[in-house]
Amino acid sequence: KAGVTQTPRYLIKTRGQQVTLSCSPISGHRSVSWYQQTPGQGLQFLFEYFSETQRNKGNFPGRFSGRQFSNSRSEMNVSTLELGDSALYLCASSLFTGGAGELFFGEGSRLTVL
Amino acid sequence: GQNIDQPTEMTATEGAIVQINCTYQTSGFNGLFWYQQHAGEAPTFLSYNVLDGLEEKGRFSSFLSRSKGYSYLLLKELQMKDSASYLCAVRDIVSNTGKLIFGQGTTLQVKP
Repeated sequence: KAGVTQTPRYLIKTRGQQVTLSCSPISGHRSVSWYQQTPGQGLQFLFEYFSETQRNKGNFPGRFSGRQFSNSRSEMNVSTLELGDSALYLCASSLFTGGAGELFFGEGSRLTVL
Repeated sequence: GQNIDQPTEMTATEGAIVQINCTYQTSGFNGLFWYQQHAGEAPTFLSYNVLDGLEEKGRFSSFLSRSKGYSYLLLKELQMKDSASYLCAVRDIVSNTGKLIFGQGTTLQVKP
């Protein structure tokens, strides 16, 4: 059973640009969550999608957005990049949302903003 | 608000036992998770506790006391490969969604 797949794995952008990251969840999983991981802040919740609907959103500016498609694949977009957006962006999928639903993480997309 | 505290770093010897503590303060509680993350890799699930008590899974055990807002992860018979970051996370009850609130993580170094 394939795990969570994130693309691209590494990318370098400059300030002001925008970036789109992709996540393919485990087959059959309908919940996809996104987290930002930095050395100083640890893992911070960005948002969660379930059946193409955003279920929850973390405390990030509106430059951070996401969506989920009918096949459960998800994308997140960051516009007008800032240096502080440099981080590892992790996607996690779950069979269902809430409760004891274990999160399965992808390897992440490491974004460097210059 | 929500706050999760873990020690930043710990060191232990191969073959020994180590206990990693986690304290939390949340507006509601709906389960606590432990994840392991090796450098440069994805976090992987270790355990889930929602009721008080000890959950044992091989060399790893996790304990929860909801009244004290306290959990620990116990690693027995430490191996070099256990050197990793251990993340404590609490499920957000307000939204009851997949949102987890993570601690900063505890970096465990296992020495020969």
